[in-house]
Amino acid sequence: DSGVTQTPKHLITATGQRVTLRCSPRSGDLSVYWYQQSLDQGLQFLIQYYNGEERAKGNILERFSAQQFPDLHSELNLSSLELGDSALYFCASTPQGNSYNEQFFGPGTRLTVL
Amino acid sequence: AQKVTQAQTEISVVEKEDVTLDCVYETRDTTYYLFWYKQPPSGELVFLIRRNSFDEQNEISGRYSWNFQKSTSSFNFTITASQVVDSAVYFCALSEAGNQGGKLIFGQGTELSVKP
Repeated sequence: DSGVTQTPKHLITATGQRVTLRCSPRSGDLSVYWYQQSLDQGLQFLIQYYNGEERAKGNILERFSAQQFPDLHSELNLSSLELGDSALYFCASTPQGNSYNEQFFGPGTRLTVL
Repeated sequence: AQKVTQAQTEISVVEKEDVTLDCVYETRDTTYYLFWYKQPPSGELVFLIRRNSFDEQNEISGRYSWNFQKSTSSFNFTITASQVVDSAVYFCALSEAGNQGGKLIFGQGTELSVKP
């Protein structure tokens, strides 16, 4: 158990809908990362937050947004969902959000868009 | 440009065989960090090891060992006397010090199947 929690574990929804994925980092960790794992793209970095502020952005679609709250949990919002958004979404956390820290991953949220 | 290549998509071995998973990386940074993660069938990503670019010492942890060679930009992972529980997808990843925030760049993964 990495100490990172993600809810829900599974999500099935329809095209055009909007969903919210939630992540709670390990106790004491200030930085949260979001990754998407799909069969065609592999594991791709989406976005990073550090202590409530966006720190880095990767291949995140404009239809997707995220935020980190004062209690340090983070939410990833996916809107106008398309079939291609079906994937496993991981959140990871580190103490300071630096490149030398190993990232500890949550169990993931499997999103299926029908 | 930063890139991680795991050329072996799938490897199948019989229990007790040794197996090496290859990882080749590209980066312009002089300071960077390399990682290996394991993704068992249950789906979670489990951290195995971190190596920084200044430390080329090989590391051994039980049946696992890692060989880091800057000259060939490789960070290979060997499992000795493989077991069925080693069956998983293994990912090599790179994080560059010059990249604010430390995002991980992952290889495509190698699926290891260990048969009894």
